[in-house]
Amino acid sequence: AQSVAQPEDQVNVAEGNPLTVKCTYSVSGNPYLFWYVQYPNRGLQFLLKYITGDNLVKGSYGFEAEFNKSQTSFHLKKPSALVSDSALYFCAVRSFPGGYQKVTFGTGTKLQVIP
Amino acid sequence: NAGVTQTPKFQVLKTGQSMTLQCAQDMNHEYMSWYRQDPGMGLRLIHYSVGAGITDQGEVPNGYNVSRSTTEDFPLRLLSAAPSQTSVYFCASSYSEEYQETQYFGPGTRLLVL
Repeated sequence: AQSVAQPEDQVNVAEGNPLTVKCTYSVSGNPYLFWYVQYPNRGLQFLLKYITGDNLVKGSYGFEAEFNKSQTSFHLKKPSALVSDSALYFCAVRSFPGGYQKVTFGTGTKLQVIP
Repeated sequence: NAGVTQTPKFQVLKTGQSMTLQCAQDMNHEYMSWYRQDPGMGLRLIHYSVGAGITDQGEVPNGYNVSRSTTEDFPLRLLSAAPSQTSVYFCASSYSEEYQETQYFGPGTRLLVL
């Protein structure tokens, strides 16, 4: 069975410092990986995805993620955190071939950026 | 475009009551789905639809029904509400699955079952 692990319930980082939100996955076949962000009382918003190609994926709001096949990881990163980045972040994985029923979300990591 | 809209935003039900959560999208997306979000459990797929007239079960379908009579609408019905169905419900849509399209989420419906 496929799975996603977000080992940290919360990550605290000072404004201006680099941030990393960790995600590891387990899936049979080729992984398609996603990061979503959820602001309070809002739905999830897409940040970025890895399908194939370059292991470093750039997304919205200055975020990027690095796909590491050997470590089965897809960590979300940003060089300089903003207070407005404070939100809940979800990693998701699906395998190919596979449909919506094959999407698995992580439990989420709350990012707190401290002014 | 309004994107994905959901109504109501918040609802309180008594055990045994029924209700319908509405979801609509104006992006002509073929794929729509319903998730529930519970603390510490991420999002879990309830039901999904790959087009008008076609629906299928997700990970946690028990206690919920869906139908898809039009491309735009995908209502979720709770037949007899139970406290275990207290959750935040999200509807999502995407154009297709072939090229791993990302999903667009609605703002959510918070449901409290007493």
